[in-house]
Order: sequence, then structure tokens, then C-alpha cells
Amino acid sequence: NAGVTQTPKFQVLKTGQSMTLQCAQDMNHEYMSWYRQDPGMGLRLIHYSVGAGITDQGEVPNGYNVSRSTTEDFPLRLLSAAPSQTSVYFCASSYNGGETQYFGPGTRLLVL
Amino acid sequence: GDSVTQMEGPVTLSEEAFLTINCTYTATGYPSLFWYVQYPGEGLQLLLKATKADDKGSNKGFEATYRKETTSFHLEKGSVQVSDSAVYFCALSDVGGFKTIFGAGTRLFVKA
Repeated sequence: NAGVTQTPKFQVLKTGQSMTLQCAQDMNHEYMSWYRQDPGMGLRLIHYSVGAGITDQGEVPNGYNVSRSTTEDFPLRLLSAAPSQTSVYFCASSYNGGETQYFGPGTRLLVL
Repeated sequence: GDSVTQMEGPVTLSEEAFLTINCTYTATGYPSLFWYVQYPGEGLQLLLKATKADDKGSNKGFEATYRKETTSFHLEKGSVQVSDSAVYFCALSDVGGFKTIFGAGTRLFVKA
């Protein structure tokens, strides 16, 4: 099992550009989520999904879009990047939101 | 809403010292409680968990006891090693099981 994979590992964007952060898991988990990690603020939930076709907003959803067309994949889209979105992004999956989360290695994003 | 508060870091210890990282929570009902660890450049991974009051989670010499009366879940280790240097996150799952809420993280440095 590869577990949770994320691509790319590192990305530099200019303000206003758009991009998609990829996340995939091979554990047949129904629940997937995206977090951003900023110094001193821990992990903040951006969006989550409880199954294919079902998504919901977390704590900091503005500026981000998600969709869940398959159980395996949960991409995160930045619509128009802003410097405030400079962060490390983690994808996680689990059997449900209250169980142990399995994290990907993260994507480090720099918006200039 | 539900929240997790953990002691600010960094915590700096010498090898073989005793470690305590404090964690308190606010939640309705009876959440599950977790400690995750993040090594440099990696995603988070589960260290231990407890699902009900008075349960003790343990792993790799680390322990934490779910104390409902004090709403706490303090992490302890009797003798730390240099390899324990990492960031430690306390977390809880909400009663609905849809979300995991993380504390801000505590960085631990262990000196040889």
C-alpha cells in the first residue's frame, strides 16, 4: 500500500494563478480531508469529504475548491492564488472523521 | 465549539530527561483523543489515542491518560531520546465523527 500520496511536493505560484494539489489514497477510506499548516496555528481544516460525491467546508474554506468523484482521489483547487495561501498543505484519510487520520507527506506552496 | 489547547514550545530537554506536554480540551459529549507526531519534513502520524474516560494510550514509551474530570490528555515519557525531537500535536474528534480538531503543536528538542 502506498497510503496517502500528494503531488507536487513543492510549488511556487504567482499571485492570481490557479493550480490543483493532488491527493490519492489506496486504503479504501471513505473520509478524506485537506489541512493547511502555518507556524503557531497547528492544522486548520479546509475542506473534507465523507464519501464520493459529498464534500463540506471546514474552518478555512475561502479561496479553495474541492470535488470527490472517486473514493481514491480528493484534489484541492486554488482558484486565484494569494500570498496568504503560502503554507504547507496536508491531505489525510480515515475510515471516518473521528478515527485515526493517515496523512500524506505534504505540499509546500509559496505564492509570490 | 470544540477546541484543543496545548502548551507552547519549544520544549528543550537533555537526553534521558522526563517529558510532559500538557493538553486540555473543550468538547461536548465524549470525544476520542489523540496524540500525533510530526518528524521534520514529514506528515503527521498517530502516536497514541484513547477513546473513553480513564483509558490510557501508549506507544514507543509515550503515555497519555484520558481525564474527563480535568478535560486533559497530557503526554508523558520517562526518558526521552534525541530521536524523539519532533512536533507533537494533541487532537480530538468531534462526537459526530466528522472532524478532527488539532492543537497548535509543541516542538520538542532533545539534546545529546
